[in-house]
Amino acid sequence: TQLLEQSPQFLSIQEGENLTVYCNSSSVFSSLQWYRQEPGEGPVLLVTVVTGGEVKKLKRLTFQFGDARKDSSLHITAAQPGDTGLYLCAGSETSYDKVIFGPGTSLSVIP
Amino acid sequence: SAVISQKPSRDICQRGTSLTIQCQVDSQVTMMFWYRQQPGQSLTLIATANQGSEATYESGFVIDKFPISRPNLTFSTLTVSNMSPEDSSIYLCSVEEGGPTGQASGANVLTFGAGSRLTVL
Repeated sequence: TQLLEQSPQFLSIQEGENLTVYCNSSSVFSSLQWYRQEPGEGPVLLVTVVTGGEVKKLKRLTFQFGDARKDSSLHITAAQPGDTGLYLCAGSETSYDKVIFGPGTSLSVIP
Repeated sequence: SAVISQKPSRDICQRGTSLTIQCQVDSQVTMMFWYRQQPGQSLTLIATANQGSEATYESGFVIDKFPISRPNLTFSTLTVSNMSPEDSSIYLCSVEEGGPTGQASGANVLTFGAGSRLTVL
């Protein structure tokens, strides 16, 4: 059974600080996605990583896919209150498998 | 990317009643997915709805409790039947489409509606 674990589960930081969120599995994934969900909204895609070792940057967010395609990280530089939300990693073993979601990391950035 | 409209956005229901959630997509899609997000938790897939065939349910979810309709390529409904307080959740509709890297990558990218927040008293 595929499982995705995320850490930390909760994170509360001051504006301007840096943080890293981790997503791990014992399974190999064909791709991993990171979503952000704000209260009252559905998850919104931030990025997809498909190649082992891949690094993608989205403004202050840096995403990395592990070489073995079993893990991923999300690093936020100089966090802002607008970054507050639930960060979910998701993935599937192949493009024909259902997408599974990690338990999420709830981030709160305090002004 | 697709735009998904869900309604109701929220509702408060009595135990034992049923509620139907509607999901409308602005483009034709093959598969639509229904997820449940219990308070403070992540997303769990309930079922996959294909037009013209019965929905495929995940382990722990049954058609009698969560009947799904998919009358055409842009619309689906999920009914939560004989509700109990344990059914209080956010129910999300989603579709799969190419993301930033495109469908050629094989990435299973999902677009979601805003969700329907259900509270059962």
